Amino acid sequence: QVQLQESGPGLVKPSGTLSLTCAVGGASINSGNWWTWVRQPPGKGLEWIGEIYHSGSTNYNPSLKSRVTMSVDESKSLFSLKLTSVTAADTAVYYCARSGSYRFDCWGQGTLVTVSS
Amino acid sequence: QSALTQPASVSGSPGQSITISCTGTSSDVGNYNYVSWYQQHPGKAPKLMIYDVSNRPSGISNRFSGSKSGNTASLTISGLQAEDEADYYCSSYSSSSTWVFGGGTKLTVL
Repeated sequence: QVQLQESGPGLVKPSGTLSLTCAVGGASINSGNWWTWVRQPPGKGLEWIGEIYHSGSTNYNPSLKSRVTMSVDESKSLFSLKLTSVTAADTAVYYCARSGSYRFDCWGQGTLVTVSS
Repeated sequence: QSALTQPASVSGSPGQSITISCTGTSSDVGNYNYVSWYQQHPGKAPKLMIYDVSNRPSGISNRFSGSKSGNTASLTISGLQAEDEADYYCSSYSSSSTWVFGGGTKLTVL
């Protein structure tokens, strides 16, 4: 049973950097899957942020690409998200998920990040 | 990269069937059979219900089925039950190795 757990600050100041990590349990992070970040603003729909492979290869949402960096730490079995120059529009619940075989088959519980001074 | 188009809401009575559509373009839904559907209850993480257009993961009721025609995918729920009331999102693989979600559909069981 794969478990994913997001962690990071729940409050980020405008123009600052949002940093989150996702711990992977019950599966190897280098098991041939991509690892994904998805966000959901309050009361709104899901938005795909991007994904990373254990080798470090990445794919990003074109609308966020200039502000997003993802990384992976195989030794700690976790992957991370950094989003720079945040504004109130980046306030959302951030989910990490496993994108295995072209579907998001396992999700973390999500973590709310609020951008506010 | 635009969001896939879903109806904002659908409703049905217990026992009835409903269908939720998901319209994309020839760059996503129309070009790949990698359409999936997710159920999300309030305050919970999304849950995979359908993948590769019409396949159900283990443990998902056969009341849930998926299909695709051209640039439009559909999720059908038959024998509606109270616990089916939730938000539903479609997702498709897209060109340039990206993913796109639909705007979501709120299902109300009357």
